[in-house]
Amino acid sequence: DAGITQSPRYKITETGRQVTLMCHQTWSHSYMFWYRQDLGHGLRLIYYSAAADITDKGEVPDGYVVSRSKTENFPLTLESATRSQTSVYFCASTYSSNTEAFFGQGTRLTVV
Amino acid sequence: GDSVTQMEGPVTLSEEAFLTINCTYTATGYPSLFWYVQYPGEGLQLLLKATKADDKGSNKGFEATYRKETTSFHLEKGSVQVSDSAVYFCALAGNQFYFGTGTSLTVIP
Repeated sequence: DAGITQSPRYKITETGRQVTLMCHQTWSHSYMFWYRQDLGHGLRLIYYSAAADITDKGEVPDGYVVSRSKTENFPLTLESATRSQTSVYFCASTYSSNTEAFFGQGTRLTVV
Repeated sequence: GDSVTQMEGPVTLSEEAFLTINCTYTATGYPSLFWYVQYPGEGLQLLLKATKADDKGSNKGFEATYRKETTSFHLEKGSVQVSDSAVYFCALAGNQFYFGTGTSLTVIP
C-alpha cells in the first residue's frame, strides 16, 4: 500500500535497552522527519533527513540515533532507553522542503 | 529562526458556534503554511494549506488566509460540529517543518 507506515504501533521496553522504531514511505519523498509528542510540548523534532545519507539534528536529538541508507526508510534508534523517552513518536515525509508533510500513525513507546 | 506561535487551549464550544484559532509565524523567506488536525489515537492529517501571501486554504468548512502583513494564518469555521473535536496544529514549512504546540478543541452538543 502507498503511504507512510510506522512499526511497531506499540512498544514496551526496559530502561537501558536499545530499541529501534521503523518508518517506511512509498512515495520516494526526499525529506523525512522524526517527532515526539508529549503532553504540554506539542510536537518536537528529533532528527530529519533531506535525502539518503544526509541527516541532521532537530530540537531534541540527545539519546537518539538515525540512519538513512535508503530513501524510503528512516529508522530511529534509542541506544539506551530512559523513562523520559516514553512518548508517542511520529514519522513524517515531504516531497520537498516547502510542501505538506504526511504522517505515519505513530508509535507509542513506554520505557519501564 | 523560523517559528510558529499558536493560541493555547483547550477550547470548548457549543455545536454551531464560530471557531477561531490564532496562529502567527516568524520566518525568513516565503514559507508555506498549514493546518493539521489530530483525532484521538491517530496521526496528524493535513486540513488545509496556503503557499503564498493572500492565499486562502479551505477544507471541510475550515478556512485560513495567509496574511504576510500580520504574519498570521488563523483558522476559522463558521459552525462547528461535535465531530470537529480534535487537536489542531499550525505549521510552517521552511528548511524544516515547524509546528505550533497544538490547540485542543472540544465541541459539546
